[in-house]
Amino acid sequence: DQQVKQNSPSLSVQEGRISILNCDYTNSMFDYFLWYKKYPAEGPTFLISISSIKDKNEDGRFTVFLNKSAKHLSLHIVPSQPGDSAVYFCAASAIGFGNEKLTFGTGTRLTIIP
Amino acid sequence: DVKVTQSSRYLVKRTGEKVFLECVQDMDHENMFWYRQDPGLGLRLIYFSYDVKMKEKGDIPEGYSVSREKKERFSLILESASTNQTSMYLCASSLEDRANTGELFFGEGSRLTVL
Repeated sequence: DQQVKQNSPSLSVQEGRISILNCDYTNSMFDYFLWYKKYPAEGPTFLISISSIKDKNEDGRFTVFLNKSAKHLSLHIVPSQPGDSAVYFCAASAIGFGNEKLTFGTGTRLTIIP
Repeated sequence: DVKVTQSSRYLVKRTGEKVFLECVQDMDHENMFWYRQDPGLGLRLIYFSYDVKMKEKGDIPEGYSVSREKKERFSLILESASTNQTSMYLCASSLEDRANTGELFFGEGSRLTVL
């Protein structure tokens, strides 16, 4: 049972435009959400996170939005740059319920077109 | 700088062989994790450890075991490798208060092929 879903396996965006990556979850106990970025032949690196007490978190070009009622989060990258081409994983945990294990989505491969 | 090192980047083993994947972190982190990454399935947690000599099963522990004799080292063991264990294996570590930051630090991965 996939509790964290990324329904778009791939996404292509023109350089300079906005990239929007989506993630849905089913477990209502999830209260902390993260995005990781992975280049080929490297391990994932942490990008940005958000707690369920917020609905938005910004860090430079990256913004994560959380819609708890819809059990949906999205990552916005503005403006998109060629170095953003990578696989992006969303992840969730139920920290408030004593479960700190991260559950990852299946990933979205983002390609930025110069 | 944070560093998680996995001993082998690429391994090729035969069915039935015993396989050891080693992971070392130099950040004095309490928590260590083993994931596998497969196309279309994302990252799935195999085992994790919150302390020396302590281990807990993740979501897919079958066919695997782990060892944590020292704080900085976490080993993944495939007692008898099978072809369905062909995968990319990722080790990660985090501070005990990871709950506040959510951040895992990953190694570069070990790509295992079982023939």
